[in-house]
Formats: sequence, C-alpha cells, structure tokens
Amino acid sequence: QKEVEQNSGPLSVPEGAIASLNCTYSDRGSQSFFWYRQYSGKSPELIMFIYSNGDKEDGRFTAQLNKASQYVSLLIRDSQPSDSATYLCAVKEVRGANSKLTFGKGITLSVRP
Amino acid sequence: GAVVSQHPSWVICKSGTSVKIECRSLDFQATTMFWYRQFPKQSLMLMATSNEGSKATYEQGVEKDKFLINHASLTLSTLTVTSAHPEDSSFYICSARTVVGNTIYFGEGSWLTVV
Repeated sequence: QKEVEQNSGPLSVPEGAIASLNCTYSDRGSQSFFWYRQYSGKSPELIMFIYSNGDKEDGRFTAQLNKASQYVSLLIRDSQPSDSATYLCAVKEVRGANSKLTFGKGITLSVRP
Repeated sequence: GAVVSQHPSWVICKSGTSVKIECRSLDFQATTMFWYRQFPKQSLMLMATSNEGSKATYEQGVEKDKFLINHASLTLSTLTVTSAHPEDSSFYICSARTVVGNTIYFGEGSWLTVV
C-alpha cells in the first residue's frame, strides 16, 4: 500500500511568518509531487508541482523535494490570513499506461491576523 | 490554468433514487478523468479512473454497479450514484488530466445529500 503521510498539524502561524508544511511518501519510485490547497467546502486547487530534487519557487511558495529522504515540503513566506486552508500533498503513482494521485490527509493551516 | 466544470454543485435526493454528476473539461481534452469522494475532515479517496471510450477502473472497495461511470467523450465524464443511501452523502470531486503537460486539475466538486 503506497502511502502519503502528512502527520503534522494543525498548524497556526502569525501573519507574515513562514509556514512550513511537510509530507513523506513511501514509494521510492515516485517521480511527481503536487501540493494542493483546499478551502473548507471547496475543491482542491493546484498550487505547485515538483519533479526534481531541490527547491522550486513560485511567488511566496517554495516546494522542496528530497527523494533520498522521501519527503516533500511546502514553504509559504509572508503568510496571509487568506492562506488559511487545508494543504494536500499528492504523489503521482504510475501504473503502466495510467497514473493516479495518492493524497495525504492534509494539513490545516491557520494564519492569525 | 485549465478549467474543469462539475455539475450540479449540490444535490439533495431521496434514498433509493439515482443521481448523476457531470464533469467537463472546458478548454482541454482529457483522455483520463478521476472521481474522488471526500467525507468531512478526511482526505480525498479515489473511487475510479475513467478513460475515454473504455470501462472505468475502480479502486478496491468501490462498487462498480453502484457508482456508474461513463466517459463517452474527451471532455465529459459522468458519475451516477444508483440507489443512493444516506451513507452515500459526501463531497464528490472529479479531476481531469491534460494530455499536454500531464497535469491534473479538479472540478469544483458536488455535494450530495441523500435524505
């Protein structure tokens, strides 16, 4: 059973701080990793994806991937109250010609004004 | 980004009836669509993978005769919950994979309440 673990949380940070969200995965062969944001009662929206080891930055968001340690993280700089949501880590599992996403249970982030 | 539309956004139905949810990729072709179910405060659980023109692949524990999936075109997949029961009440979300870029985008989700 391939697993995606998001065990920390809920997380509360003050406005303007850096929020760090972590995720580990069990399938060493995984190649693609995604972070989704989900507001309460809404569908997930894609924030970032990362394929290569290292950091990938997009605005206030930075995704970090370490395949050797099998973890992927998301940093949110200058956190805003509007960033308060549940953040889902997803790992793409390739099965032959098909692929699917396996999601972690999510981390709920609360940014205090 | 790519747009995936889901309809209806919410639906209330009586126990024992069937309800259909549509998932459309509006500005791209999607050979593969996915159907998820999410109960409150839980993660998304993949129900089935739908490939255009072929039978859906269901995840373990998901009843294919209860959750009928049709993917008749490159832009439309439907999920029909047959003989719905209150325990089927949930947030149903579809996603579609772009052929170019191989990225997955989600629909807005459909809240189903069975009374």
